[in-house]
Amino acid sequence: EDKVVQSPLSLVVHEGDTVTLNCSYEVTNFRSLLWYKQEKKAPTFLFMLTSSGIEKKSGRLSSILDKKELFSILNITATQTGDSAVYLCAVPASYGKLTFGQGTILTVHP
Amino acid sequence: NAGVTQTPKFQVLKTGQSMTLQCAQDMNHNSMYWYRQDPGMGLRLIYYSASEGTTDKGEVPNGYNVSRLNKREFSLRLESAAPSQTSVYFCASILDNYGYTFGSGTRLTVV
Repeated sequence: EDKVVQSPLSLVVHEGDTVTLNCSYEVTNFRSLLWYKQEKKAPTFLFMLTSSGIEKKSGRLSSILDKKELFSILNITATQTGDSAVYLCAVPASYGKLTFGQGTILTVHP
Repeated sequence: NAGVTQTPKFQVLKTGQSMTLQCAQDMNHNSMYWYRQDPGMGLRLIYYSASEGTTDKGEVPNGYNVSRLNKREFSLRLESAAPSQTSVYFCASILDNYGYTFGSGTRLTVV
């Protein structure tokens, strides 16, 4: 059974701080790892990672995958209140089924 | 360009009542999914349909049934609602293994 574990489960920071969110996984047939941001409604896609050591970057957000150690991190620099959300990582299995981690609740205070 | 449409957005049921959550996508996607999200649990797969005419159980199927009515529509039915089914339900569809599109969710409360 595929397993995805995220840490920390919650995080409170102030604007301008840098945060690192962690995602470890155990899957039988690794294809990729996905990061999502969820604000109140449906998850929205952030990154897809397939290759180890290749950083994906979008503005202040970046993510990297370590296939040897079976984990990924999501970094957010210079956090803003608009970054407050639940951040989910997931791994797809056969037929597109996603196994999600528990999520990290990020709260950014002004 | 509606994407994935779920109805209703909110629902309150009494224990033992039945209801059907509707999901439709207009992107010609082959595969469709129903997930539930509970606090601290992430999203968990209830049922999925890899293609029109097929359905399979996911991680938490007990208490639910599904119907893949056609390529566009995938409904989730609760025959006898229980308080443990209080959750937020998301429908999703994909064309390939990565391009997930989620519906906006249904917040269900069973009292």
